[in-house]
Amino acid sequence: AQSVSQHNHHVILSEAASLELGCNYSYGGTVNLFWYVQYPGQHLQLLLKYFSGDPLVKGIKGFEAEFIKSKFSFNLRKPSVQWSDTAEYFCAVKANSGYALNFGKGTSLLVTP
Amino acid sequence: ETGVTQSPTHLIKTRGQQVTLRCSSQSGHNTVSWYQQALGQGPQFIFQYYREEENGRGNFPPRFSGLQFPNYSSELNVNALELDDSALYLCASSPGGLGADTQYFGPGTRLTVL
Repeated sequence: AQSVSQHNHHVILSEAASLELGCNYSYGGTVNLFWYVQYPGQHLQLLLKYFSGDPLVKGIKGFEAEFIKSKFSFNLRKPSVQWSDTAEYFCAVKANSGYALNFGKGTSLLVTP
Repeated sequence: ETGVTQSPTHLIKTRGQQVTLRCSSQSGHNTVSWYQQALGQGPQFIFQYYREEENGRGNFPPRFSGLQFPNYSSELNVNALELDDSALYLCASSPGGLGADTQYFGPGTRLTVL
């Protein structure tokens, strides 16, 4: 069975600090990879996704993620966070031939002014 | 373009009762998936519907059932509610067919079972 692990459950950063959120998964086959964000009081929104090709993918709001196949990782990065990035971030993995998104437990990010 | 909508927003039920949650998919999307998100956890896949048939199911008991209608909207039914069923129920739609890739989520229905 697939599993998704997000290393940091709670992260606190000051504005302008750099962000990296870790995500590792266990699955031997081809996968599709996603990062979703849930801002306070809002629904889950897609930040970025990887299906194939360039392992460095860029998403909305200056976020990017790098797929490292040998490490089964898909870490999310942003060079300089803003207060408005305060949210819950979820990594999700789907087997290429499957139906279900398998989510990590999420990382709560608080950006302080 | 209308996004995924869900109703009701909040619901309170007692143990043993039955509940029906509703979802309208995003325009142009024919596949609907349902997820359960317990407090402090990531969403857990319940099942997916495509062309009015269930084509994938997670580790949920049969008292969780669903329907998809010709207009691609969907219902999630839960019978014999238990306290642990208290959660946020999310509906997601996607444009493709079987194994559709990117899923777009609605705001969810918050179910409280007393």
